Amino acid sequence: GAGVSQSPSNKVTEKGKDVELRCDPISGHTALYWYRQRLGQGLEFLIYFQGNSAPDKSGLPSDRFSAERTGESVSTLTIQRTQQEDSAVYLCASSLVGLEETQYFGPGTRLLVL
Amino acid sequence: GENVEQHPSTLSVQEGDSAVIKCTYSDSASNYFPWYKQELGKGPQLIIDIRSNVGEKKDQRIAVTLNKTAKHFSLHITETQPEDSAVYFCAGGEGGKLIFGQGTELSVKP
Repeated sequence: GAGVSQSPSNKVTEKGKDVELRCDPISGHTALYWYRQRLGQGLEFLIYFQGNSAPDKSGLPSDRFSAERTGESVSTLTIQRTQQEDSAVYLCASSLVGLEETQYFGPGTRLLVL
Repeated sequence: GENVEQHPSTLSVQEGDSAVIKCTYSDSASNYFPWYKQELGKGPQLIIDIRSNVGEKKDQRIAVTLNKTAKHFSLHITETQPEDSAVYFCAGGEGGKLIFGQGTELSVKP
């Protein structure tokens, strides 16, 4: 079946512009996660959704970052007034919470802020 | 909160040798410890995981051990092959929130 998909795969933007990153989880997965991965680094937890509510937003770096999810489907991560330090790969994962905790990752969106 | 430390950051082995990567965690409430393999330009892919009620788990050439008392867990890859070359991440957590280690770049030389 289809895995987690993310779009766009690459995004180049100018400092100060807003960007929206999209994640389509695996059908039926109730949990959805966003991570940030800087070049050569590990994965940094950003936010977690259970259905369309976000019980854990503790990883969002600043109020420029926000995320929403419609039902148990698509999620959008929005970064406002982008800064050069926002350049990274943004990874999305989904899982069947309650049955297993295995997180399945998408290919990521590579964001470059000039 | 949880903190996961991973060592070594790079590991080079000859084809056929074994590779061992070690992680420690800080939160005793953590109960789930997956290992992911990430190839260049791709998202991480789960290779094996272990839950806190188990001390060891094997899947063909891959095994993971967990010591809850010492709060450390390890990945063992036997009979390494060039296609095992990648970055490996450990993670720990509970309730769905995972904290990842910094990664180990494994290079298997033919």
